[in-house]
Amino acid sequence: DVKVTQSSRYLVKRTGEKVFLECVQDMDHENMFWYRQDPGLGLRLIYFSYDVKMKEKGDIPEGYSVSREKKERFSLILESASTNQTSMYLCASSLWDEAFFGQGTRLTVV
Amino acid sequence: DAKTTQPPSMDCAEGRAANLPCNHSTISGNEYVYWYRQIHSQGPQYIIHGLKNNETNEMASLIITEDRKSSTLILPHATLRDTAVYYCIVRGQGAQKLVFGQGTRLTINP
Repeated sequence: DVKVTQSSRYLVKRTGEKVFLECVQDMDHENMFWYRQDPGLGLRLIYFSYDVKMKEKGDIPEGYSVSREKKERFSLILESASTNQTSMYLCASSLWDEAFFGQGTRLTVV
Repeated sequence: DAKTTQPPSMDCAEGRAANLPCNHSTISGNEYVYWYRQIHSQGPQYIIHGLKNNETNEMASLIITEDRKSSTLILPHATLRDTAVYYCIVRGQGAQKLVFGQGTRLTINP
């Protein structure tokens, strides 16, 4: 079975901290994605990557950056966390058909 | 990628067929229709996809109209565990980006 693993299920960070959310997939997928999900706003695409070291902005990239040094790992970075980045973060990976999602990281910034 | 329109919510009785509609009137020839669902507190799960022919798998059936401007996801015998938000997505062949809309919140009632 394809597995997409996010490093933390719950995370609490302070305003101004640099935060790393890690995502690892085990199926050699080319594409990886980071989303955030907020009540009433649905799933919004932050960044995606279609190959190692390749990245593209999604719909809401402001305040975030990403890193893809290895094919299996896609990291989301909050350079200076703010309270409006409190959210559920979901990672996914895919080839060209179905995408597989991780269980999500609920991040709270206080 | 073409935009999709789905009703915000639907109800269905347990044991009945649940029919979830999706409009995608601006779909182009090489774009596929995908369906995902998200059960509360979990990441989205792939259900099915198709281009122009009807498709069926162990989870659901997908009926795409001849003009491809709309489709229907059918859950043949809905159970309480099918209560979820269902997303219809149009995605081009070879496209990397995967964008979700607001989806339909389906509630299965006992």
